[in-house]
Amino acid sequence: QSVLTQPPSVSGAPGQRVTISCTGSSSNIGAGYDVHWYQQLPGTAPKLLIFGNNNRPSGVPDRFSGSKSGSSASLAITGLQAEDEADYYCQSYDNGLRVFGGGTKLTVL
Amino acid sequence: QVQLQESGPGLVKPSGTLSLTCTVSGGSISNSHWWTWVRQSPGKGLEWVGEIFHGGRTNYNPSLKSRVTISVDKSKSQFSLNLTSVTAADTAVYYCAREDHSGTYAFDSWGQGALVTVSS
Repeated sequence: QSVLTQPPSVSGAPGQRVTISCTGSSSNIGAGYDVHWYQQLPGTAPKLLIFGNNNRPSGVPDRFSGSKSGSSASLAITGLQAEDEADYYCQSYDNGLRVFGGGTKLTVL
Repeated sequence: QVQLQESGPGLVKPSGTLSLTCTVSGGSISNSHWWTWVRQSPGKGLEWVGEIFHGGRTNYNPSLKSRVTISVDKSKSQFSLNLTSVTAADTAVYYCAREDHSGTYAFDSWGQGALVTVSS
């Protein structure tokens, strides 16, 4: 059972918009800690996708965006592409220790 | 661009000790970052194992704390993971990563991962 809760799977057709939620509590996201998002393509290491709730590292397309409200955060992907099919993880802090969400598998139909 | 590379045995016997090393290149291990281990059991999600600062301060996942030790060797630009009394549940891909404390405060650089199987 992960400290941060994500839906196990989401799906969308090419060109559509999908969102992935990350629900925490008052000891982590709700305490004001930042949320980061990672993309893990099959058979590869995770890659930083969003940091500090809503910031993109250099090279990440602006189709990816993040938001945070209260004890939850969301990752939105617009203009869905086949190459976006991957696992996505949120990460934050709980009482100063690092915690991950359980991960969400995105399927592009 | 900093690069990280895990190394160590791919097979460990039950009740033995898992030992992995992460070599950092393209950047100083003595910069103001935290050096981290994350693991991923087959078909499962990411689990934070623990981290170390170049000065030696450590933080560990409470669920593993009694069995984990992370150390750093600045002269070799390496940090290491020791996990004792392993069982099949410790079979996983182990990633080393950098938690960047100069900008993102996230895990911005990752090694490719090392699969460690616990089996007799």
